[in-house]
Amino acid sequence: GQQVMQIPQYQHVQEGEDFTTYCNSSTTLSNIQWYKQRPGGHPVFLIQLVKSGEVKKQKRLTFQFGEAKKNSSLHITATQTTDVGTYFCAASSGYALNFGKGTSLLVTP
Amino acid sequence: SQTIHQWPATLVQPVGSPLSLECTVEGTSNPNLYWYRQAAGRGLQLLFYSVGIGQISSEVPQNLSASRPQDRQFILSSKKLLLSDSGFYLCAWAGQGSGTQYFGPGTRLTVL
Repeated sequence: GQQVMQIPQYQHVQEGEDFTTYCNSSTTLSNIQWYKQRPGGHPVFLIQLVKSGEVKKQKRLTFQFGEAKKNSSLHITATQTTDVGTYFCAASSGYALNFGKGTSLLVTP
Repeated sequence: SQTIHQWPATLVQPVGSPLSLECTVEGTSNPNLYWYRQAAGRGLQLLFYSVGIGQISSEVPQNLSASRPQDRQFILSSKKLLLSDSGFYLCAWAGQGSGTQYFGPGTRLTVL
């Protein structure tokens, strides 16, 4: 399957600072998905990227898929306390998804 | 619209006791179904997935089993729980041909 590595594992920011999490693979990915899991909650689908170099935005969140389709990033501008949670990237592997280990974001007011 | 249900929400079981967790999906037919386990503060470990009734693929050999007796029902079982079975169990579904997964609310299992 298409394994993905995520960094950093944890990130602690002050409210208003930016945040970025990276997802890397040694192989070319067919697509990449991003999920968010709030503390105590379940993962929720955010977005899917398919095309090389694709950039998508959701309000303060910007998602990028690398030109070689081997990496992806999620950038949050001016974090808010509502952004707290763990962000997972996931790559398709047959009928399943290979999830990264996630980046846990803590935002201090 | 589609919804996914899991129960119970929390469960405390003694070591060596059996386990049965149920997941049902509404509003869609012939979904792919998945069971994950998440240890505290850790990532998602895929346990089983199913692409149809009676079809189960196991990703991690262990003392758990899964069954899909009906199209939209997925059951996770164990005959004898171990301490290491504690965790957050998540069920998810995906449409045929779609890789996007939608998760249920999960079951928090504590084995004492």
